[in-house]
Amino acid sequence: DGGITQSPKYLFRKEGQNVTLSCEQNLNHDAMYWYRQDPGQGLRLIYYSQIVNDFQKGDIAEGYSVSREKKESFPLTVTSAQKNPTAFYLCASSSIQMGSGNTIYFGEGSWLTVV
Amino acid sequence: KQEVTQIPAALSVPEGENLVLNCSFTDSAIYNLQWFRQDPGKGLTSLLLIQSSQREQTSGRLNASLDKSSGRSTLYIAASQPGDSATYLCACGGSNYKLTFGKGTLLTVNP
Repeated sequence: DGGITQSPKYLFRKEGQNVTLSCEQNLNHDAMYWYRQDPGQGLRLIYYSQIVNDFQKGDIAEGYSVSREKKESFPLTVTSAQKNPTAFYLCASSSIQMGSGNTIYFGEGSWLTVV
Repeated sequence: KQEVTQIPAALSVPEGENLVLNCSFTDSAIYNLQWFRQDPGKGLTSLLLIQSSQREQTSGRLNASLDKSSGRSTLYIAASQPGDSATYLCACGGSNYKLTFGKGTLLTVNP
């Protein structure tokens, strides 16, 4: 089935560690996104990418890094510089012309907890 | 900077009731507005997308309207069912393919 796969579902990070969240899509979408969701809050954009080998910072990029080496993959690294990383992370994708009205699709999310 | 507000934050209704969820936004220069459903601990599922040139969209028991001039959108759910219980989020699509989300309305439909 077509869709977005995020892994792992649950991840625990020790202080000072970097961790990487995986996101893979088989929808042939050009654009991919990473959002962070805190309890009772809306989603906030971390990074987005419209094309392979290119990505842009969102509203809360500090302490995060991404890569886009393949069209179907957009991994997110949460670095030790991110002071409050405990949250629910959502990956999404859409066709490149989302501004004209194409639907965005989300993965099932990854829970990251700092221990 | 776009700000999106959803009222109420939580809503509890008996099964069968018709209901309206509200979404307001501060910048009317949007490309589209989308409504999503989120079940606990899950990702978001797109329900309806209204392009900036449209006034409303319908899908089954759901109807979403858009009034750009007043910065408002509503999601109407007819004949609510317990399976409709979830958090509903609206999001405004702006330039650079970015979406700005509201905090959501937690809907509980009681049998």
